Amino acid sequence: QKEVEQDPGPLSVPEGAIVSLNCTYSNSAFQYFMWYRQYSRKGPELLMYTYSSGNKEDGRFTAQVDKSSKYISLFIRDSQPSDSATYLCAIWRNQAGTALIFGKGTTLSVSS
Amino acid sequence: DSGVTQTPKHLITATGQRVTLRCSPRSGDLSVYWYQQSLDQGLQFLIQYYNGEERAKGNILERFSAQQFPDLHSELNLSSLELGDSALYFCASSVGTPQDTQYFGPGTRLTVL
Repeated sequence: QKEVEQDPGPLSVPEGAIVSLNCTYSNSAFQYFMWYRQYSRKGPELLMYTYSSGNKEDGRFTAQVDKSSKYISLFIRDSQPSDSATYLCAIWRNQAGTALIFGKGTTLSVSS
Repeated sequence: DSGVTQTPKHLITATGQRVTLRCSPRSGDLSVYWYQQSLDQGLQFLIQYYNGEERAKGNILERFSAQQFPDLHSELNLSSLELGDSALYFCASSVGTPQDTQYFGPGTRLTVL
């Protein structure tokens, strides 16, 4: 079983839709959960960061972590064409010598 | 612009050859990370350096090596290249630990023919 699983999509939605992106992970020791956004031909950029169960909101974006289910989600409200990108979840356990583990990414397309 | 620079942007080479990818981190960042991104494997962590010392190692092949210099720039050396090494190679930098925000460079696209 892979440590992080993410549905690659693609996901196509109309402008204004609510988007739900999800990842599951296998190791309960993971403590830090992030979402990166990657536009075509660019490097990933950090979008959201959380280290506890529950919700964290930033504008139109909400990151949700359910540690009991080992499930993380990113919700995008009022989606815009500029949100069209690949979204990667990333997780880390606080242990020396370890690094971020990324999901394969979900490609989102928002049409106007 | 993340502040991380990578050169070259594109590299086309032949199997069996050796190439060097270069990365300059953001000013003030001590950690440099190297990643390989391919369609089938996604973004895979290769190696991390912190202030000149190797800090973490991922699925980096023995044919690959890296180092971080005193001025904190880093180089990733890929040797005995194979077709399967064709990928995007990203460098990222952060202040220190992996949970710190990692700022990614624009990547180097390597094509092995």
